[in-house]
Amino acid sequence: LAKTTQPISMDSYEGQEVNITCSHNNIATNDYITWYQQFPSQGPRFIIQGYKTKVTNEVASLFIPADRKSSTLSLPRVSLSDTAVYYCLVGEEDTGRRALTFGSGTRLQVQP
Amino acid sequence: DVKVTQSSRYLVKRTGEKVFLECVQDMDHENMFWYRQDPGLGLRLIYFSYDVKMKEKGDIPEGYSVSREKKERFSLILESASTNQTSMYLCASSSSGGASDYGYTFGSGTRLTVV
Repeated sequence: LAKTTQPISMDSYEGQEVNITCSHNNIATNDYITWYQQFPSQGPRFIIQGYKTKVTNEVASLFIPADRKSSTLSLPRVSLSDTAVYYCLVGEEDTGRRALTFGSGTRLQVQP
Repeated sequence: DVKVTQSSRYLVKRTGEKVFLECVQDMDHENMFWYRQDPGLGLRLIYFSYDVKMKEKGDIPEGYSVSREKKERFSLILESASTNQTSMYLCASSSSGGASDYGYTFGSGTRLTVV
């Protein structure tokens, strides 16, 4: 599985856009990029997944450049409830049988 | 609402006890996983299963075993609990097929304290 590197922590204020970048220099051709969100005392929750270019859903956007060696999770107009740890994962997702390897994630703190 | 349910939210056990952590999913998922989460170490994979009666070791299987007698249930067993197994335990499941089936669904976790 490709190793990922992301910032340990980030701070923001309500209403701002937050961009969290993840580096995955040795991503393989078959690998997808997936982001999870984890609130305190809860299990991680799937946010978004992409392979290339841009993916958007009701929660976030995921930007992936052409070389796919990095990706950026974008959270528009964050609120206090977006305070959480965000994990970037890279690996094959075609069957769902892959066992996920989580890094330490990025701890996002949103302040009023 | 589909879900992964872990039988206990909090558990306190004594050193040397045999401990069972139960996980049930109602999504008919083939794959199930057990992780533990500790401060500063993130989530670490203990065991996983792709099918009934099938199991695979993860990154830290020592001191643990698992059982999957039915598709919907995946149990984690601590054969002889030790204080270094005090942790948050997370169960997850996923589907093996279908382009629309993204991601893994996690339970809310069991916080185990071994005294």
